[in-house]
Amino acid sequence: DQQVKQNSPSLSVQEGRISILNCDYTNSMFDYFLWYKKYPAEGPTFLISISSIKDKNEDGRFTVFLNKSAKHLSLHIVPSQPGDSAVYFCAASAGTGNQFYFGTGTSLTVIP
Amino acid sequence: DGGITQSPKYLFRKEGQNVTLSCEQNLNHDAMYWYRQDPGQGLRLIYYSQIVNDFQKGDIAEGYSVSREKKESFPLTVTSAQKNPTAFYLCASSPRGRGHYEQYFGPGTRLTVT
Repeated sequence: DQQVKQNSPSLSVQEGRISILNCDYTNSMFDYFLWYKKYPAEGPTFLISISSIKDKNEDGRFTVFLNKSAKHLSLHIVPSQPGDSAVYFCAASAGTGNQFYFGTGTSLTVIP
Repeated sequence: DGGITQSPKYLFRKEGQNVTLSCEQNLNHDAMYWYRQDPGQGLRLIYYSQIVNDFQKGDIAEGYSVSREKKESFPLTVTSAQKNPTAFYLCASSPRGRGHYEQYFGPGTRLTVT
C-alpha cells in the first residue's frame, strides 16, 4: 500500500513561472518530509525538508508547505529554470532512525 | 571527497546467476539503505541497516540478501530467486541518532538480467 503518493506523473511549466509539485500521505505518524531531485541514471539529491512542527520551509527558490490536517505537502519552485527539469520525489519518515517512504515521482519539464 | 560509490554503473548477468552490487560510503554514516527503482515507480526499500552487523528487511526483500560487516560497506546480492531482477538499484546512507537526517544517495547501478 502506497503511503506516499504523487498523483501527477508529469508537469510542464514555462521558464520564470512557478512550479508546484504535490504530494499526499496516509500515515499520520509521519513527522519528517523531504523532497529529492533526480536526473536520469543518477541517484536522487536532497533538495529541502520540513519537520511536522512547521508548516513552511524556504530555501532560495524552493519552498515546501505542509498541511498536516490534509496530509498534504507541496514544493514550490519560483522562478522555474530549465535546469530544474528533473524527476522530483517526496519522501516521509516516522520517528528517527527509521525507513523512508517515497512517492512515485513527478517529472518536471521547464520550457525555455 | 566524501560520498557514496556504487559499482559498476551497468551490470549484465544471465538468468540464474547470483550477482553482488557494491556500495561504499566514506561519510561515517551509521545507516545504509538499498532501494530499487522501476520505470514509473518510486523508490522501494529492499534492505536497510542502522548499525554494523545488523540489518532489516524492507518492503521487497524477497530474492535479495545483504551483509554489513563494516560501517563503510553494504553490499547487496541479487539471487536467482528474485523473479524480476532487472532494475535500477540505489544505495543510500544517513547519520543515525536523535533528530532527522536526509539520505545521501549513490549514483546507482543498472542491472540487466537476460
